[in-house]
Amino acid sequence: QKEVEQNSGPLSVPEGAIASLNCTYSDRGSQSFFWYRQYSGKSPELIMFIYSNGDKEDGRFTAQLNKASQYVSLLIRDSQPSDSATYLCALGGGATNKLIFGTGTLLAVQP
Amino acid sequence: DTGVSQDPRHKITKRGQNVTFRCDPISEHNRLYWYRQTLGQGPEFLTYFQNEAQLEKSRLLSDRFSAERPKGSFSTLEIQRTEQGDSAMYLCASSLQGMGNTEAFFGQGTRLTVV
Repeated sequence: QKEVEQNSGPLSVPEGAIASLNCTYSDRGSQSFFWYRQYSGKSPELIMFIYSNGDKEDGRFTAQLNKASQYVSLLIRDSQPSDSATYLCALGGGATNKLIFGTGTLLAVQP
Repeated sequence: DTGVSQDPRHKITKRGQNVTFRCDPISEHNRLYWYRQTLGQGPEFLTYFQNEAQLEKSRLLSDRFSAERPKGSFSTLEIQRTEQGDSAMYLCASSLQGMGNTEAFFGQGTRLTVV
């Protein structure tokens, strides 16, 4: 079992809809959870991170964490074509606090 | 300082040749990470520096790979005797604290193609 599991997609949503991206993880000791966005051919950019169970909102983005069920999700409200990208879920931890990334979910927002 | 800089952006090399990549982190960041990303996959951790000390290496980093960060500033990643399986995007990231505690900033990457 991979440490971080994501559906590779593509996830296709119409413009203005809510996009829901999900991630499950295997290490119950994980403490921090990150969502990065990566446009094709570009480097990853941080969207947001979450440490505690529950929801964390930042503009159109909401991260949700459920440690008991070992999943973290990202909701994108009012999706725009410019949101079309690969969304990477990552876990922080270990002695050097590196990030372990999932394979990413490709989101396509249709105009 | 405009961010993490990587050089070169693209490298095509013949199998068996050695290649070296450079990463210049954000100047005040003492943490530096190297990742490798292949098509359709997420970034895979290779190695980590805190200042000039290399504190962790992935088992993915075979003995053909070596990384340095002299004086705790820029870092180099060398691959000796390249193989076709080394073809990937090599990403460098830097941060003020560990990546699991704060935002890490990635460079644009070096795309390596081994022919």
